[in-house]
Amino acid sequence: EAGVVQSPRYKIIEKKQPVAFWCNPISGHNTLYWYLQNLGQGPELLIRYENEEAVDDSQLPKDRFSAERLKGVDSTLKIQPAELGDSAVYLCASSLEQGSTYNEQFFGPGTRLTVL
Amino acid sequence: QKEVEQNSGPLSVPEGAIASLNCTYSDRGSQSFFWYRQYSGKSPELIMSIYSNGDKEDGRFTAQLNKASQYVSLLIRDSQPSDSATYLCAFRSYNTDKLIFGTGTRLQVFP
Repeated sequence: EAGVVQSPRYKIIEKKQPVAFWCNPISGHNTLYWYLQNLGQGPELLIRYENEEAVDDSQLPKDRFSAERLKGVDSTLKIQPAELGDSAVYLCASSLEQGSTYNEQFFGPGTRLTVL
Repeated sequence: QKEVEQNSGPLSVPEGAIASLNCTYSDRGSQSFFWYRQYSGKSPELIMSIYSNGDKEDGRFTAQLNKASQYVSLLIRDSQPSDSATYLCAFRSYNTDKLIFGTGTRLQVFP
């Protein structure tokens, strides 16, 4: 079974430029998550999708970040414009369904973003 | 008080020894607990999940949960140098349904 796929793996941009990250979850997983991980920290949730619906985006900085999951499968996270403080690893994860107590989340390889 | 507390380490153990990693959490209502392993430069990999008080064993790994004490641990038996990584403890918040991660404990297994 293929895991969560993310691209690109690395991205270097200058501040104020836009950037986009793509994620394809594990087949059959309805719930998709975007996390941000800074060095030495655990992942922090940015947004959670149940199928096409963003059910928790409370931690997403909406002035510059946006996300979509149009057909309930793959998803794109965008930053426009990027700031120096956005340098981090952006992780995508998926799970079968959020409501279950036994819900397990599986992470993709992540995208390491460097903003110069 | 942090939602999840882990000793950042590094925890250094010799090859073949038992490594014991500990975690406390603040959410008394939480029912789901997870251990992830993260190698340097890689993403977190789920290695154990536990939902009931007591022990859960999977190969060389044993997760232990004590909800009354709000404590979860991970034991790694016969530690190998390949176990050297950061281990992240996480729980699902009862109130927000979010997965809350600790900052991780770095484990070093030396030959």
